[in-house]
Amino acid sequence: QKEVEQDPGPLSVPEGAIVSLNCTYSNSAFQYFMWYRQYSRKGPELLMYTYSSGNKEDGRFTAQVDKSSKYISLFIRDSQPSDSATYLCAMRRIQGAQKLVFGQGTRLTINP
Amino acid sequence: SAVISQKPSRDICQRGTSLTIQCQVDSQVTMMFWYRQQPGQSLTLIATANQGSEATYESGFVIDKFPISRPNLTFSTLTVSNMSPEDSSIYLCSVEGSLAGGETQYFGPGTRLLVL
Repeated sequence: QKEVEQDPGPLSVPEGAIVSLNCTYSNSAFQYFMWYRQYSRKGPELLMYTYSSGNKEDGRFTAQVDKSSKYISLFIRDSQPSDSATYLCAMRRIQGAQKLVFGQGTRLTINP
Repeated sequence: SAVISQKPSRDICQRGTSLTIQCQVDSQVTMMFWYRQQPGQSLTLIATANQGSEATYESGFVIDKFPISRPNLTFSTLTVSNMSPEDSSIYLCSVEGSLAGGETQYFGPGTRLLVL
């Protein structure tokens, strides 16, 4: 079993829809949770960063962490064609342990 | 966040040869990381490179195949040695970065390698 599971998609939705991307994990030691966006032929770009459980909002993006269920989500409101990319969840253990563990990534397409 | 550049951005190589990938950061960082992203797959950490010490390799990766140099706080190289088609991948370097409440990593644009 992989430490981090993420549905690879592909996921295709119409412009303006709310998008929900999710990851589950098995290691309860993970404390820091991240979402990266990767456009085709580019490196991953940090999108959202949360510590422990709770919600964090940044513009059209909301990250949620439910540590009791070992489940994290990224919501995109009012999705735009420019949001079309691969979204990778990543997580790591306590501060000082730098290794990031990534999900497989979900390929998202927003159709105009 | 740091600005990270990689050279080359892409290359096509013959099996049995070696390629050295460079990673340059615009600020001094203690820890740099090298990842591999195979087609359609996620990122896998190859090794962690600290300035002034030997790189630490993850399980499944060895120094003879992926030697790493870290001569200063803004630069690192990864060599892919004795390449085979299975080494065709995107190679990414990243650096540590501090955010409120913790630390994360920022990535370079990647080097796309095709081995024939």
